[in-house]
Formats: sequence, structure tokens, C-alpha cells
Amino acid sequence: GAVVSQHPSWVICKSGTSVKIECRSLDFQATTMFWYRQFPKQSLMLMATSNEGSKATYEQGVEKDKFLINHASLTLSTLTVTSAHPEDSSFYICSVRAGNLYEQYFGPGTRLTVT
Amino acid sequence: DAKTTQPNSMESNEEEPVHLPCNHSTISGTDYIHWYRQLPSQGPEYVIHGLTSNVNNRMASLAIAEDRKSSTLILHRATLRDAAVYYCIQSKAAGNKLTFGGGTRVLVKP
Repeated sequence: GAVVSQHPSWVICKSGTSVKIECRSLDFQATTMFWYRQFPKQSLMLMATSNEGSKATYEQGVEKDKFLINHASLTLSTLTVTSAHPEDSSFYICSVRAGNLYEQYFGPGTRLTVT
Repeated sequence: DAKTTQPNSMESNEEEPVHLPCNHSTISGTDYIHWYRQLPSQGPEYVIHGLTSNVNNRMASLAIAEDRKSSTLILHRATLRDAAVYYCIQSKAAGNKLTFGGGTRVLVKP
């Protein structure tokens, strides 16, 4: 399977600031990356689908101007939470899919706490 | 979104098999059945997927009903490291968007 890393693994920021989370595919080229969010004791919720070189497709109810996604290369996608508020505190997880593989490979997640 | 239904939780003894059921009564002919699991404070991990035939890999087996409206994930010999939330997901292969439901929390007792 593929190896996916995320950086940072955890971050604490003040309300109103922006935070960037990186998702890297370490051993293969990921044409598609996905971003999920998971609140405590809840399931994962898909936020957006990111395709290399094109704009991300956001799920209904996810603000694209607040959660900026950039997929500039086949190995890196970034999620920027702009003007973060305490309700944005969550576990953010990325996943990658390469070509016609059916499975997704997930990163270890980034825990964001907004104070 | 296509939804599956799973029991909230299951318990098993170490070294014994675990059978995790999943209902996907709205499945269409082109939908695949995927299973992922998530250990505490980690990202999900791919377990197995199938379309019509039963599937085996090093982690588990997937038994799919003939009408495809249900399936069962089989962990042949549960270990303590298998304690996790197991998600059953139906998804079209082309888009491969995964919609996670509540999953089944598996507790393995020593």
C-alpha cells in the first residue's frame, strides 16, 4: 500500500489565525487526494476532492473560501483553514488514490485545536 | 449518499474469528463494497473490497451475499491489535468517493 504523511500531526492556534496542513504521498503519484474531517466520537466526513492541477470539488456545506485546498503536485496537497474558530477544532485526515486503484490510503491525521 | 447499516459494536475473544455484518440494500450493479478500519487517533486503513465474488487477502475475508444486499467481513483470528472501528462503505468504483457511516466498534478481549 501507499505511504501518506501529514504535517503537522497536531497544532494549536488562536482564533482568527490561519493554519496550513500538508498531505504528502511518499511513494507514488497521487492523481486524486481527499480531505476529511472528524469530530470527537463521530465518523469521518468528506470535505473535498482534490485533483492535481485543477480546482478542488467541495462537498455540500463546506465553505471553499474557508478551507482552501491546493494540489500543486502529484505528491502534495495542502489544506488551509482560514480565520480559524473554535468550532473548526477537529481531526483532519487526508487520503490519496492513484490512477485506477480502488482503495484509498489515509494519512495519520492532523489534530487542530483553536483556542 | 449511499448508506450502509452496521451494528454499533461487537465483542470478540482473542484468537477467535469475528464476523462483522453489513447491510447495503440500495446497492447498484456498479457499486463496490469497501471495508476500512480506524484505530484510535489514527487515519483509516484499507482492509478489503469486493464487487460480487468473495474476496480474501492477508487481513481478512469478505463474503458477499448472492443478491449483494449484504456482506460480512471476517477476521479469522482476532488479535488485540484488531480492536478498531470497522467501516463498511458502498461506492462507485469510478469516483471512489467514500461516505463513512457510523461503523462497528470491535472490542477484542484477551
